[in-house]
Amino acid sequence: DARVTQTPRHKVTEMGQEVTMRCQPILGHNTVFWYRQTMMQGLELLAYFRNRAPLDDSGMPKDRFSAEMPDATLATLKIQPSEPRDSAVYFCASGLLETQYFGPGTRLLVL
Amino acid sequence: GDSVTQMEGPVTLSEEAFLTINCTYTATGYPSLFWYVQYPGEGLQLLLKATKADDKGSNKGFEATYRKETTSFHLEKGSVQVSDSAVYFCALSDQGYSTLTFGKGTMLLVSP
Repeated sequence: DARVTQTPRHKVTEMGQEVTMRCQPILGHNTVFWYRQTMMQGLELLAYFRNRAPLDDSGMPKDRFSAEMPDATLATLKIQPSEPRDSAVYFCASGLLETQYFGPGTRLLVL
Repeated sequence: GDSVTQMEGPVTLSEEAFLTINCTYTATGYPSLFWYVQYPGEGLQLLLKATKADDKGSNKGFEATYRKETTSFHLEKGSVQVSDSAVYFCALSDQGYSTLTFGKGTMLLVSP
């Protein structure tokens, strides 16, 4: 049963520190998405890739967030420097055609 | 632009009750429609989908029918269980695009 995996599952850090979240998409899927979920804003699309090329990152704060796909088996989302308002659950999803499959998420708490 | 509107929750039901969660959409093309479920502390899981008008998606006792004339995709289940307590998201993917437009989610609470 193929699944999207994400690491770490939980992260507590202090304001100003760099945070890196990793995602392994399902083998064969050609699109990868990063979402952020908070109680106030709900589910927000941050960025997505197709065939490893970034297609849209308009949902990300550009000054501190960056998303990359160094290869087909790894997607990364970095926050530098982190701020308390970045505290949220970050989901990665991968897809083929129109259906997306979500990972379990990284719960980030920035103190 | 595309949008999805879901009924606000929480929806509170007793076990074995009938469930309906309403979902309506606005889209420029001919979208595919989805229901995702999120259990506490977990990611979203695809529950069911329908890709064209009059299609019925079904899974685990849940059903939803793609109604183009009313632009709706209501989720139903004949007899809910406590284990169905979760947040349910309706979503659409417009033709030719792979991004999803989500509703705000509806929390379902089922008591014994």
